[in-house]
Order: sequence, then structure tokens, then C-alpha cells
Amino acid sequence: EDKVVQSPLSLVVHEGDTVTLNCSYEVTNFRSLLWYKQEKKAPTFLFMLTSSGIEKKSGRLSSILDKKELFSILNITATQTGDSAVYLCAVPTGNTGKLIFGQGTTLQVKP
Amino acid sequence: DTAVSQTPKYLVTQMGNDKSIKCEQNLGHDTMYWYKQDSKKFLKIMFSYNNKELIINETVPNRFSPKSPDKAHLNLHINSLELGDSAVYFCASSQVGGDYNEQFFGPGTRLTVL
Repeated sequence: EDKVVQSPLSLVVHEGDTVTLNCSYEVTNFRSLLWYKQEKKAPTFLFMLTSSGIEKKSGRLSSILDKKELFSILNITATQTGDSAVYLCAVPTGNTGKLIFGQGTTLQVKP
Repeated sequence: DTAVSQTPKYLVTQMGNDKSIKCEQNLGHDTMYWYKQDSKKFLKIMFSYNNKELIINETVPNRFSPKSPDKAHLNLHINSLELGDSAVYFCASSQVGGDYNEQFFGPGTRLTVL
């Protein structure tokens, strides 16, 4: 059965810290892995990764995929209180666009 | 312009009632989805429609019935509501095909069953 597992489930840090969120997956016919950030409302798209070893970067956030070891990491440097959110990892399966989500990592950044 | 919109945003109702949630997308996508997010923030797919045709129907009680009048709309009707139906329901849309599969989510409908 396809599955996505994220760790840790929750994390509390102070502003300025660097965090690393993990996502491992088992899915047949892997095509891509997506990261979303969810604050109060809807998940918003951060990154899509398809190729191993190529880092995607957006400001203080970056992500990389390891297709051999079947995992991805999301790094956030110099964290700010506005980074507090649930970070979701998802992998599409089949041809229907169905996304399998991990449990999410709840990040709290304290001032 | 709102890409994916849902109504209502909040829904509070009694057990046993029937309720509907509506979703519309103006992105021109061919596929729409309903997800349920429980209190532990776990997002799980319920249904998906591609061009008005049901393509994903996960293990969901048959009290839940999706309807897609056209490819820009996907509604969710729930009969005989139960306490366990309390959750946030998200609608999403995407253009399926190739490697790119970003889904755009609506703001969610928080359903509380009393």
C-alpha cells in the first residue's frame, strides 16, 4: 500500500533556528513529491520535486529529494514566527491525480 | 479572483441532518477533489471527478454523495450526519497529466456536528 510518513510530528523552535523536516515515501510508479504549507486555512503549494539531488529553493526554504533512499527533506533557515504552520508532504499515485499525504509536521516558532 | 472557492466556510448542524457543501474552481482544471482533514490534521482523499466523471471513490460511507454538474463545480452532499463527520472538508482542483500534479485547495469548510 502506498504511504507517506513525515517526521517529526511536531517541533518547537525559537526564531533564528534552522529546522529540517523529513518525508519518506513508498509508492509505486513514483513521479513527484510535493510540499505544502498549511496555516489557518488551505494548504498552499511550496515545492514539487521530481529529480533526485536537485535542490529547490525559495527564500529561506529549500527542499531536496533522494529517490534512491525514498525521502525528501524541507529545510527552513533563520526561522520566523510566520513560519509557524503545518507542513505537509504528498505524493501522487496512479493516473487519477490522487495525492497521498503524510501526517504533517506542526512547526511552532517562538519569538 | 478566488481560484477555488467553497461555501459555506462554517457549518454547524445537529446529528441526523442532511447538508451540502459547494465548490467551484475558475482555473480551467479538469479534475476536482474532496478531502477530509481530521482533528489531527491528517488530509485524506474522499472523491475525485475528472470532467464530471467519478474517478476516485475511497472507502467513504455512502451517506456522502458527490455531484459534479460541470467540470468547474463539485458539490458534496452528506445525509444523516454523525458526530464523526465533524472535520474540515477541503475541495481542490488540478490538471491531471504528465509529471506536474499541483493541486490548488479551497479555503475549507469546517463542519461541526452536535
